[in-house]
Amino acid sequence: QVQLQESGPGLVKPSQTLSLTCTVSGGSINNGTYYWSWIRQPAGKGLEWIGRVYASGSTNYNPSLKGRVAMSLDTSKSQFSLRLNSVTAADTAVYFCARVSPTMFAFGGVMVVRGWFDPWGQGILVTVSS
Amino acid sequence: DIQMTQSPSTLSASVGDRVTITCRASQTISNCLAWYQQKPGKAPNLLIYKASTLQSGVPSRFSGSGSGTEFTLTISSLQPDDFATYFCQQFNNYPYTFGQGTKLEIK
Repeated sequence: QVQLQESGPGLVKPSQTLSLTCTVSGGSINNGTYYWSWIRQPAGKGLEWIGRVYASGSTNYNPSLKGRVAMSLDTSKSQFSLRLNSVTAADTAVYFCARVSPTMFAFGGVMVVRGWFDPWGQGILVTVSS
Repeated sequence: DIQMTQSPSTLSASVGDRVTITCRASQTISNCLAWYQQKPGKAPNLLIYKASTLQSGVPSRFSGSGSGTEFTLTISSLQPDDFATYFCQQFNNYPYTFGQGTKLEIK
């Protein structure tokens, strides 16, 4: 079955860029069926959706991150990535990558695709500290 | 953003109990709701999607219901493996948002 694994630095200095990669195994990342997402969870707190990327390269991001985030896919390596710039201590969290299982429905008179997360990677702790 | 509010935040129960967790959305989300179980140090695990569809491999003691703004997750007979934290998630609109979580503890 599909498995996801996050990788990247566990420590990032304030004001620098956090860069993480999610490697997908057991399935194709570019078959056009699924979306791919990043979610984070500060210690002892709830879950925050960061954004999603599709095989075409299209993206949607959480406005709460105020334009600091970018996601992309590398289909040749079966990977997708997250970049979050100008990090502060508030960005310290466990970062999860996940596959989005899509469903299509009418929203505001337009057909849209949204979904739920399954499976998830195991998560990677990223600490922002000097 | 759509706010998701779970209740209770903490629930104490015993093995064999029937428990219900509620998730309320700040605006209607149709049936665009998923439930996850998370154990300490682990990633969340999908239990239910589209409010009431049981994910393959999830025990049938888990069930979900609701539509619009109010949803419930019910565990019909608690097993020792069920003590964990549960989250709801709406996928009706961006940004996707989660409830704050319900921690299910052993009484």
